[in-house]
Amino acid sequence: DAKTTQPTSMDCAEGRAANLPCNHSTISGNEYVYWYRQIHSQGPQYIIHGLKNNETNEMASLIITEDRKSSTLILPHATLRDTAVYYCIVRVGNSGYALNFGKGTSLLVTP
Amino acid sequence: GAGVSQTPSNKVTEKGKYVELRCDPISGHTALYWYRQSLGQGPEFLIYFQGTGAADDSGLPNDRFFAVRPEGSVSTLKIQRTERGDSAVYLCASSLGGTLNTEAFFGQGTRLTVV
Repeated sequence: DAKTTQPTSMDCAEGRAANLPCNHSTISGNEYVYWYRQIHSQGPQYIIHGLKNNETNEMASLIITEDRKSSTLILPHATLRDTAVYYCIVRVGNSGYALNFGKGTSLLVTP
Repeated sequence: GAGVSQTPSNKVTEKGKYVELRCDPISGHTALYWYRQSLGQGPEFLIYFQGTGAADDSGLPNDRFFAVRPEGSVSTLKIQRTERGDSAVYLCASSLGGTLNTEAFFGQGTRLTVV
């Protein structure tokens, strides 16, 4: 299973871009990178996923390096409601397609 | 319903008792997952259903834990002889399929406290 490494915590000022890094140096060719977040006392929420191309949706952008060994989740204009734990996950195809959460990055958006 | 529904939202039980936790997935979703989340940790995979069958139960910690999904929709997680270490938030998720290119939608979880 490909592992991911994320910083434990990060701060971001409200209105600024939040850039959350993730290393996944052992990722294999058919594994996707997923990002979920979990706001306090709620279930995890899907944000975005990608294979090798950069992706953008209404919530965020995902930038994956050409060698696929790392990626960055970008929240372009962070708000206080974006304060949450962000999980970078490599989708594990040989484990029933389950999500292998780690400890994630705790993002604090400050006024 | 509009999302994944889990009942009860909170459950307090005495050590040694049996509990059942229920999950109603999003209508039409064939894949269903159970996860467990302890305080300060990320969710931990327990079991995955594709339709009625458990396609992967490798995350169940021991034989006190069992889950069913008899009609391919609602699922029940059953815990026998509960222990204090079973206290956690139990999360259910569903997705349209079990392939790599699908997103999972999570419920709000059931907080289980074993006293």
